[in-house]
Amino acid sequence: EAQVTQNPRYLITVTGKKLTVTCSQNMNHEYMSWYRQDPGLGLRQIYYSMNVEVTDKGDVPEGYKVSRKEKRNFPLILESPSPNQTSLYFCASSYSMGPSQPQHFGDGTRLSIL
Amino acid sequence: AQTVTQSQPEMSVQEAETVTLSCTYDTSESNYYLFWYKQPPSRQMILVIRQEAYKQQNATENRFSVNFQKAAKSFSLKISDSQLGDTAMYFCAFMKPWYNNNDMRFGAGTRLTVKP
Repeated sequence: EAQVTQNPRYLITVTGKKLTVTCSQNMNHEYMSWYRQDPGLGLRQIYYSMNVEVTDKGDVPEGYKVSRKEKRNFPLILESPSPNQTSLYFCASSYSMGPSQPQHFGDGTRLSIL
Repeated sequence: AQTVTQSQPEMSVQEAETVTLSCTYDTSESNYYLFWYKQPPSRQMILVIRQEAYKQQNATENRFSVNFQKAAKSFSLKISDSQLGDTAMYFCAFMKPWYNNNDMRFGAGTRLTVKP
């Protein structure tokens, strides 16, 4: 089954404790991205990647890191999480850049930073 | 920068009736794309419908259709014959062409409740 898999689905942690949210897709997609969803703000793009070893900042990259060492994986790293990073996070992928290729979203990761 | 505005935080509709969700956007681009995504309580993001700005014809997908007014920068979603399964958050989104970094912007969302 074609899918984007995020882990964990829920995480409660404390300020300053490094964490990684994994994202994996099995569709051989080139383009992957991370969003955060906050009430009243919709989804905002954090980082995106056009292909292996190619990443770029989205709208709200501060406090986040990403890497794209393999085509299928695009982890989101919070080196020193803070409470303002409490949010619902989505990973998405598509075959290539461009709106003709629909984005497939993961099921979301709810992060709570205390 | 592009902004997307959904002015209706919440809406409700009776089952089998029609409802329209509004979306306006601001851009200086002439070529772009617009989307409506549905997010049910399961949190999944599901693409409902897509519109290309250079196409004058409004997109339709079964019970879902859009009213795209390019000059007014308006992109409303009409849901006909509403069903209980349509209950969800609906997000309007704007995307620049691929040659412009694939920048995608979402509105704040409209929570739609379909009542039996």
